[in-house]
Amino acid sequence: EAGVTQSPTHLIKTRGQQATLRCSPISGHTSVYWYQQALGLGLQFLLWYDEGEERNRGNFPPRFSGRQFPNYSSELNVNALELEDSALYLCASSQQVSPLHFGNGTRLTVT
Amino acid sequence: AQSVSQHNHHVILSEAASLELGCNYSYGGTVNLFWYVQYPGQHLQLLLKYFSGDPLVKGIKGFEAEFIKSKFSFNLRKPSVQWSDTAEYFCAVVGGSSNTGKLIFGQGTTLQVKP
Repeated sequence: EAGVTQSPTHLIKTRGQQATLRCSPISGHTSVYWYQQALGLGLQFLLWYDEGEERNRGNFPPRFSGRQFPNYSSELNVNALELEDSALYLCASSQQVSPLHFGNGTRLTVT
Repeated sequence: AQSVSQHNHHVILSEAASLELGCNYSYGGTVNLFWYVQYPGQHLQLLLKYFSGDPLVKGIKGFEAEFIKSKFSFNLRKPSVQWSDTAEYFCAVVGGSSNTGKLIFGQGTTLQVKP
């Protein structure tokens, strides 16, 4: 079974630019979750999508947004990038309330 | 607001030593509890989970955890660690009877096992 895949692996952007991160869930999983893992801050919940709808979001500004496509893959968009957005962005998927399965993450560096 | 606290940020043990990593959460209702592990260069993997039933749950690789509701704790244990257990360990909780999707993680504990 293929796991959760994320692309790109690494992304380097300059302040003010936009970043787009992509995630493909495990086949059969309808829920996709996004987490930010910043140095010293642990994993912070960003967004949860299920069946194409945003179900919940964490305490992040509106410039963090995303969407889920009909095939359940997902995009995370970060607008007006700031230096503190530099982090590892993790995507996870699940089927209903089953445990989350994580991808390897996208390392975003903002210079 | 829900929160998870892991008491130990960095633990160093010798092989064959026993391990206990503390985890406390704050939430007054029904909870689902998890321990995840992140080996160097790998993605987060589920070690074990507690949804209901027997409060002592067994996971992969000889790990177990005990849910003590009165103490709001879910400590991770292993009787004898191996060098390959070197990794970062995260406790996580999702509260409520309905799925909010919001898994709250602790800050993580880095375990270093010396051969």
